[in-house]
Amino acid sequence: DGGITQSPKYLFRKEGQNVTLSCEQNLNHDAMYWYRQDPGQGLRLIYYSQIVNDFQKGDIAEGYSVSREKKESFPLTVTSAQKNPTAFYLCASSNRITSTDTQYFGPGTRLTVL
Amino acid sequence: GEDVEQSLFLSVREGDSSVINCTYTDSSSTYLYWYKQEPGAGLQLLTYIFSNMDMKQDQRLTVLLNKKDKHLSLRIADTQTGDSAIYFCAETYSSGGYQKVTFGTGTKLQVIP
Repeated sequence: DGGITQSPKYLFRKEGQNVTLSCEQNLNHDAMYWYRQDPGQGLRLIYYSQIVNDFQKGDIAEGYSVSREKKESFPLTVTSAQKNPTAFYLCASSNRITSTDTQYFGPGTRLTVL
Repeated sequence: GEDVEQSLFLSVREGDSSVINCTYTDSSSTYLYWYKQEPGAGLQLLTYIFSNMDMKQDQRLTVLLNKKDKHLSLRIADTQTGDSAIYFCAETYSSGGYQKVTFGTGTKLQVIP
């Protein structure tokens, strides 16, 4: 089946640790996105990528890093520099960032900092 | 910057119609979307409307767009308990030569049996 997968579903991290969230898609989409969701704040864009080996900062990129070495993969690293990392993280993809194609979302990863 | 606003909560009785409202600021929006999020899950596209349309109907869903007032609404007819979820509206806009999407804060719909 085609779609977007994120792993793990739940992730716990101690303060001061870096963690990497996985996002994989087999939709052959060029563009991929990472969002952070906090209660009552909707979705905020962390990073996006329109093509392999290219990515751009979104609205809240501080404390996060990404890579896009393969078209189907766009992992997000939450670094120890992120002051309040506990949140629900959503990955999405679309055909092209310059089009109005729909964004397709993964099931999300809930990160909790202990 | 671009801003999309929604009320946070709506409660309706099963069988009634639900109307979820959204206001946006970017008059150059090309598409406006409605997404549904069930607890602990990602967002699922429900429907979308092109900015030159006033209305779009898809089974129990009716989308109304008032471009003059920058107001978007989603009407769910014969609301069922399975419709309980958070509903996000979203608009596309151009930024730095690229199309981006801004999401609203989400409206939590509670359906009372």
